[in-house]
Amino acid sequence: AQSVTQLGSHVSVSEGALVLLRCNYSSSVPPYLFWYVQYPNQGLQLLLKYTTGATLVKGINGFEAEFKKSETSFHLTKPSAHMSDAAEYFCAVSRDNNNDMRFGAGTRLTVKP
Amino acid sequence: DTGVSQDPRHKITKRGQNVTFRCDPISEHNRLYWYRQTLGQGPEFLTYFQNEAQLEKSRLLSDRFSAERPKGSFSTLEIQRTEQGDSAMYLCASRAGAYNEQFFGPGTRLTVL
Repeated sequence: AQSVTQLGSHVSVSEGALVLLRCNYSSSVPPYLFWYVQYPNQGLQLLLKYTTGATLVKGINGFEAEFKKSETSFHLTKPSAHMSDAAEYFCAVSRDNNNDMRFGAGTRLTVKP
Repeated sequence: DTGVSQDPRHKITKRGQNVTFRCDPISEHNRLYWYRQTLGQGPEFLTYFQNEAQLEKSRLLSDRFSAERPKGSFSTLEIQRTEQGDSAMYLCASRAGAYNEQFFGPGTRLTVL
């Protein structure tokens, strides 16, 4: 069975500061890992995903994440936060072609001016 | 190109009433998913269709819930005898194949009074 733990339900950073959102997963098979962003009253939008290959994955809006098997982690980072990054971020895991995607509880990112 | 659409966007109903939601996936996406998202939580998988076949159902999907995708295009999710605990955002997603990204709709927010 797969599961995801997102450490920190709320993260606050200043504009221009590093963004680090933590995600740890549990999976009995090689995982597929995802980060989604959700703006108020909108659906989820895929930021990036890891399937196989390069462990450092680059996504949209300057975000990237690194798959670390030894640490069972897939943390999301962005070097410099922008006000428009304020949103809810969800980490998710699924097996290769498993249709049962498991989401974490989410981390709300606040960006202070 | 239109994304995944859901109707209605908001639904307020009284306890005990039946409600039905509709999801129109991206055309030619053969896989369709329903999720439920409660406040402060990530989406939870409810059920999955491949074309018109309902291939997987979560234990969260009680016998008051039924989903259909009669022609392999749009899908409906019906909740009978609604309870206050059914209040949530109901999200629909679709994707073109097993390894492709899931695209999410904006959701239907259900409030049961």
